[in-house]
Amino acid sequence: GAVVSQHPSWVICKSGTSVKIECRSLDFQATTMFWYRQFPKQSLMLMATSNEGSKATYEQGVEKDKFLINHASLTLSTLTVTSAHPEDSSFYICSAPTPWGLAGGGTDTQYFGPGTRLTVL
Amino acid sequence: DAKTTQPTSMDCAEGRAANLPCNHSTISGNEYVYWYRQIHSQGPQYIIHGLKNNETNEMASLIITEDRKSSTLILPHATLRDTAVYYCIVRVAIANSKLTFGKGITLSVRP
Repeated sequence: GAVVSQHPSWVICKSGTSVKIECRSLDFQATTMFWYRQFPKQSLMLMATSNEGSKATYEQGVEKDKFLINHASLTLSTLTVTSAHPEDSSFYICSAPTPWGLAGGGTDTQYFGPGTRLTVL
Repeated sequence: DAKTTQPTSMDCAEGRAANLPCNHSTISGNEYVYWYRQIHSQGPQYIIHGLKNNETNEMASLIITEDRKSSTLILPHATLRDTAVYYCIVRVAIANSKLTFGKGITLSVRP
């Protein structure tokens, strides 16, 4: 299947600092990528949709000024958690859909990165 | 997107088939059924998807009922590494449309 990478895999930072997480589609181009957050023992919650060359679309309740998304190329999206606080500690996961029909089955298929564990002290 | 209902958990013996059920009674004609799984502390892994025909790949088989209101994911020979949370998701067939995750079903494979 298609490969999506994330960097870093884990990060520890002090409260008030900003942290950038990268998401890359390694063997396909993605005009759209998705960012999720997962708290312990909970399911994945979609935070925002990253669109190449345009503004991201945020889900209700997600602060766009706190979670900055930049989709600068067809293979890279970044999520920056600004002024991080302990409550932002979570598992952040990105996904990218393959081009329509590439993965078979008459539709596109989303592939996920391995996730980034953020701990804010 | 239509909502799905899955049991909270199930277990099976290693080497036996694991049959994971999913109900999606409000599914629309243009919605696909997707299955993902998430092993602890990893990103979700794509397993299989289908519209109305049964599908099989190297990982699993997907059986969709004729009325499309339910489906079953079959892992033919479960191993300990198949222990994970399995998510059944219904998604509209529009390019770049999002996935909405429910709570999934926790599959425990016992030795």
